[in-house]
Amino acid sequence: GENVEQHPSTLSVQEGDSAVIKCTYSDSASNYFPWYKQELGKGPQLIIDIRSNVGEKKDQRIAVTLNKTAKHFSLHITETQPEDSAVYFCAASTVGAAGNKLTFGGGTRVLVKP
Amino acid sequence: EAQVTQNPRYLITVTGKKLTVTCSQNMNHEYMSWYRQDPGLGLRQIYYSMNVEVTDKGDVPEGYKVSRKEKRNFPLILESPSPNQTSLYFCASKSRPSGPDTQYFGPGTRLTVL
Repeated sequence: GENVEQHPSTLSVQEGDSAVIKCTYSDSASNYFPWYKQELGKGPQLIIDIRSNVGEKKDQRIAVTLNKTAKHFSLHITETQPEDSAVYFCAASTVGAAGNKLTFGGGTRVLVKP
Repeated sequence: EAQVTQNPRYLITVTGKKLTVTCSQNMNHEYMSWYRQDPGLGLRQIYYSMNVEVTDKGDVPEGYKVSRKEKRNFPLILESPSPNQTSLYFCASKSRPSGPDTQYFGPGTRLTVL
């Protein structure tokens, strides 16, 4: 089955700096890669996703890049703000497969210091 | 408001005492799923359902049961809870079983088994 590894497990950045979280996956059939943000006491919420036919996607201050050959994808947050402090999860799945199971990485706790 | 609800939000119980965590969604989604979240392990899928009366095991199904008698509800049943089932549980739903649709998560249920 799919295995997703995520690094780092914790990340502390100064407000205004950039944050980068990296994930690797094992199953070459995976073709959908969402990122979730989990705030304290809440469930994960989708913030951005990318499909395998695209190398990069951007939405305001967040961007995701995908390298299919190397089987890794990354989340980039620019101009970080205190409200970006949360736990971030990457995930991988195979669109079209029965069940379309999401396999999650272990999570990254991001702390943005004012 | 479109949402996934879970009850209870917090539960402390003792080993062997049967319990049920309810999950309900109001978005007419076909696909529903249960995850458990443990530190460093991310979210791991317990069971999922692609439609009414269709359920299947995820990665960590041992000790859990589910049912899907109605489209909106997907309860998680622990017939004889044990301390290793102490965890944070999330229910999630999405529109189609095999599509890259956004998966919506409930607020979580923190379970402690003594």
